[in-house]
Amino acid sequence: KAGVTQTPRYLIKTRGQQVTLSCSPISGHRSVSWYQQTPGQGLQFLFEYFSETQRNKGNFPGRFSGRQFSNSRSEMNVSTLELGDSALYLCASSLAGTTNTEAFFGQGTRLTVV
Amino acid sequence: AQSVTQLDSQVPVFEEAPVELRCNYSSSVSVYLFWYVQYPNQGLQLLLKYLSGSTLVESINGFEAEFNKSQTSFHLRKPSVHISDTAEYFCAVILNTGFQKLVFGTGTRLLVSP
Repeated sequence: KAGVTQTPRYLIKTRGQQVTLSCSPISGHRSVSWYQQTPGQGLQFLFEYFSETQRNKGNFPGRFSGRQFSNSRSEMNVSTLELGDSALYLCASSLAGTTNTEAFFGQGTRLTVV
Repeated sequence: AQSVTQLDSQVPVFEEAPVELRCNYSSSVSVYLFWYVQYPNQGLQLLLKYLSGSTLVESINGFEAEFNKSQTSFHLRKPSVHISDTAEYFCAVILNTGFQKLVFGTGTRLLVSP
């Protein structure tokens, strides 16, 4: 069974640009969550999608957005990139999206903003 | 709001020695507790979890953690570490609210030397 796949693995963008990251969950999983990992702030929750609906959102500015498609694949978008957006972005999928089901993480997309 | 504290940012230890990585949490509602491990340039892997039942939970690679409700702790232990255990370990909680939103501690880097 394939794991969570995130593409691309590495990305370099210029300040002011926008970027789209992709996450393919494990087959059959309907919940996808996104996290940002930085040395200064650690791991922070961005948002969670279940059956194409955003159920929960973290404390990030509106430049961070996401969506989920009918096949459960998810994308997150960051507009008007800032240097501080440089981070490892992790996606996690779970079967039912309930709190007692395990979240499986992808290897992440490392975004560098220059 | 819930929070997770990992007091030790780095724990150096010799191979075959015992180790304890400390985790304390704060929450006004019931939570589920997790330990994740992250190897360099990788995503997060679930090490073990406490959902209910026995307060002592074990992983397949020799780690164990004990949920202590009165002390609001979920410390991770291993009686004898290997070089391959060198990694970053994250403690996390999730509220029993039905949504997949993990709150992570700042992580503890375990450094095992020969």
